[in-house]
Amino acid sequence: GDSVTQMEGPVTLSEEAFLTINCTYTATGYPSLFWYVQYPGEGLQLLLKATKADDKGSNKGFEATYRKETTSFHLEKGSVQVSDSAVYFCALRGSSYKLIFGSGTRLLVRP
Amino acid sequence: DAGITQSPRHKVTETGTPVTLRCHQTENHRYMYWYRQDPGHGLRLIHYSYGVKDTDKGEVSDGYSVSRSKTEDFLLTLESATSSQTSVYFCAISELSTGNTEAFFGQGTRLTVV
Repeated sequence: GDSVTQMEGPVTLSEEAFLTINCTYTATGYPSLFWYVQYPGEGLQLLLKATKADDKGSNKGFEATYRKETTSFHLEKGSVQVSDSAVYFCALRGSSYKLIFGSGTRLLVRP
Repeated sequence: DAGITQSPRHKVTETGTPVTLRCHQTENHRYMYWYRQDPGHGLRLIHYSYGVKDTDKGEVSDGYSVSRSKTEDFLLTLESATSSQTSVYFCAISELSTGNTEAFFGQGTRLTVV
């Protein structure tokens, strides 16, 4: 079945550092890919998405490119802020109606 | 924000009792999902619905049942609650149309089984 694997956290960075959170997937066909963010005590919010190969999703300085050849959708940000501290989830929606999530990566940004 | 309301937001119940969680949407979205979130496991799909009276199991469906008699409501029932079902439960809704495949989440229900 479909699945998502993302790097384990926590990831601890200093403010203005470069961020990469790795995400790879297994799916049949051409899934849509997503990054969601969860701030403490809140539900999940969509951060960005990509619906076909080579698409780049971007939002709030975060980017991720849909790489079908490597089945990856890595999240990047050039300069993180303390306010980016949260849990980040990679997800896919494949040929079924299911929306499948990775286990989440906690990011902690120190001043 | 998408119109999704989960109720109750917090509940403490005793082992062996039945519990029903409600998800209500005002967006008329076709797809609805129930997830549980536990440390180290991310979000795991319990059940989902692709229309009124159309539901299917997710990866952790044992001990849970669902019903969807109206487009706007998706109920999750724990037939006989166990301590392993202590978790935070999230409802999500989605449509499936060109350029619009993402899901929107409720605020969650924290359930404690004692």
